[in-house]
Amino acid sequence: DSGVTQTPKHLITATGQRVTLRCSPRSGDLSVYWYQQSLDQGLQFLIQYYNGEERAKGNILERFSAQQFPDLHSELNLSSLELGDSALYFCASSVLGSLNTGELFFGEGSRLTVL
Amino acid sequence: GDSVTQMEGPVTLSEEAFLTINCTYTATGYPSLFWYVQYPGEGLQLLLKATKADDKGSNKGFEATYRKETTSFHLEKGSVQVSDSAVYFCALSLGLTGGGNKLTFGTGTQLKVEL
Repeated sequence: DSGVTQTPKHLITATGQRVTLRCSPRSGDLSVYWYQQSLDQGLQFLIQYYNGEERAKGNILERFSAQQFPDLHSELNLSSLELGDSALYFCASSVLGSLNTGELFFGEGSRLTVL
Repeated sequence: GDSVTQMEGPVTLSEEAFLTINCTYTATGYPSLFWYVQYPGEGLQLLLKATKADDKGSNKGFEATYRKETTSFHLEKGSVQVSDSAVYFCALSLGLTGGGNKLTFGTGTQLKVEL
């Protein structure tokens, strides 16, 4: 158990809909990262928050948005869903802003299926 | 841009065989290098890491040496077990010095160990 909690574990929805994925980082971790894992694209970095502020942005679509709340939990919002958004979405957390000496702790993921 | 290239899988070995999974990287700075492992139905977890050239990371019988001259970080284990069956990801990070704190992952290599 990494200490990172993601909900829901599974989600099935239709094209055009909107969903919210939730992540609670490990106790004490200030950074939250979101990754998308799909069969054709592998693990893609989406976005990182550090203590409530956006720190780094990757290949995140404009239809997607995220935020980190004062209690440090984070939500990833996916809207106008398309079939290609079906993937496993991972949240990870770490104490440090820099990864040069740190480690990312991953949740078990939220599997999104868009029909 | 920064990237990680891993050998394609699946790699199928008999128990007690020697394992090598190749990983090479391209980076504009001086990255830290990581191997993460993903067991079926679980999130990724750190296996080992190395933060500078010639460092050797090791854990659970796995080893990898940071080779700057060949930009490589190959994963090795002398005698694999069935319980090592998983997907292995090579990753790099440039940390705060490199324009973000994200991990860049390779595509992953699935390892299957048979009796």
